[in-house]
Amino acid sequence: DQQVKQNSPSLSVQEGRISILNCDYTNSMFDYFLWYKKYPAEGPTFLISISSIKDKNEDGRFTVFLNKSAKHLSLHIVPSQPGDSAVYFCAASVGTGNQFYFGTGTSLTVIP
Amino acid sequence: KAGVTQTPRYLIKTRGQQVTLSCSPISGHRSVSWYQQTPGQGLQFLFEYFSETQRNKGNFPGRFSGRQFSNSRSEMNVSTLELGDSALYLCASSQGGKETQYFGPGTRLLVL
Repeated sequence: DQQVKQNSPSLSVQEGRISILNCDYTNSMFDYFLWYKKYPAEGPTFLISISSIKDKNEDGRFTVFLNKSAKHLSLHIVPSQPGDSAVYFCAASVGTGNQFYFGTGTSLTVIP
Repeated sequence: KAGVTQTPRYLIKTRGQQVTLSCSPISGHRSVSWYQQTPGQGLQFLFEYFSETQRNKGNFPGRFSGRQFSNSRSEMNVSTLELGDSALYLCASSQGGKETQYFGPGTRLLVL
């Protein structure tokens, strides 16, 4: 049972515009969320995190929004750059330790 | 600081064999988690080790096992390999609390 879902397998955006990647989850007990970026033949690279006690976290061009009532997480990239083209994964965890549940990823293409 | 390293990077085995993968975490990190990535399934959590003890376990059969040494290095073993075990195996390390995990480049296992 997929507890974290990324319903858009792919997304294309023009350079300079906003990219919005979405993630939905089913377990209301999740209390920590991460976004990762992954290039082919490499391991995922950490982008940004958010705790369930917050509803927004910013880091440079990346902002993550958390809507707990809707069980929805989104990552905004502004402005989008061609180097942002990669697969993006959201992940969530609950309880002690680092057992993370991952979505299946969204492939972002930023068109120059 | 050196990142997470995994060896070997590529491996070909035949059905019925066993395999051992190795992961060296970032210096000072005490938690190591293992994930399996297959096409269409995203990253599936296998297990987490912290201070040489298994702290969390995913929903994988007993053929998948692991251990952690006193220097925090971890190994994962898969016995009686099946074709479906072909995947990218990723390990991730963190300091130990609920926090960001940093991934290695992965070991690509092909079972023939």
